[in-house]
Amino acid sequence: AQSVSQHNHHVILSEAASLELGCNYSYGGTVNLFWYVQYPGQHLQLLLKYFSGDPLVKGIKGFEAEFIKSKFSFNLRKPSVQWSDTAEYFCAVRGNNRLAFGKGNQVVVIP
Amino acid sequence: NAGVTQTPKFQVLKTGQSMTLQCAQDMNHEYMSWYRQDPGMGLRLIHYSVGAGITDQGEVPNGYNVSRSTTEDFPLRLLSAAPSQTSVYFCASSSGVSSNYGYTFGSGTRLTVV
Repeated sequence: AQSVSQHNHHVILSEAASLELGCNYSYGGTVNLFWYVQYPGQHLQLLLKYFSGDPLVKGIKGFEAEFIKSKFSFNLRKPSVQWSDTAEYFCAVRGNNRLAFGKGNQVVVIP
Repeated sequence: NAGVTQTPKFQVLKTGQSMTLQCAQDMNHEYMSWYRQDPGMGLRLIHYSVGAGITDQGEVPNGYNVSRSTTEDFPLRLLSAAPSQTSVYFCASSSGVSSNYGYTFGSGTRLTVV
């Protein structure tokens, strides 16, 4: 079964700072990759996904992620965060009929 | 609105009680799954189904049963609740394991076992 690692579980930064969240996965087959966001008290919402093609994927709200196959990574970035980006972010990998999640990154943006 | 509907939103159980968490989707999705979310643990897959009549275990299946008699519904049963099952439960669906549309999540059920 696949596994997903997310580092720096708690991130605190100021508005306008840049954000990068790391995601590494282990799986030997073809994978689909996702980033989800969970705002306080809400359910998960899809930020972006990668299935094939251009490894640089652009999602909603100014987020983007880059798939680097050789590094088994799918890091999430945003050049300039806003207070409204305060949320928990989850990387997920689908393979073999299963969608597996990382443990999440709690991001707090200070106004 | 189309989507994934979970009921109830909140539930408190006593140890040893049984209950069923309901999940229904109206998007004709083949794939449905149940996750539990615990602080610092992310979401862990409990059970999943790739179609009516087909279910399989996920990462943490113990203490939970599922069935999939229709495409729309995928209930999760706790036969004898334990405090370790206190968690937030999410149901998700997808139009297929090779779907390009990702997964749609329900709004969650917050379960407390005392």
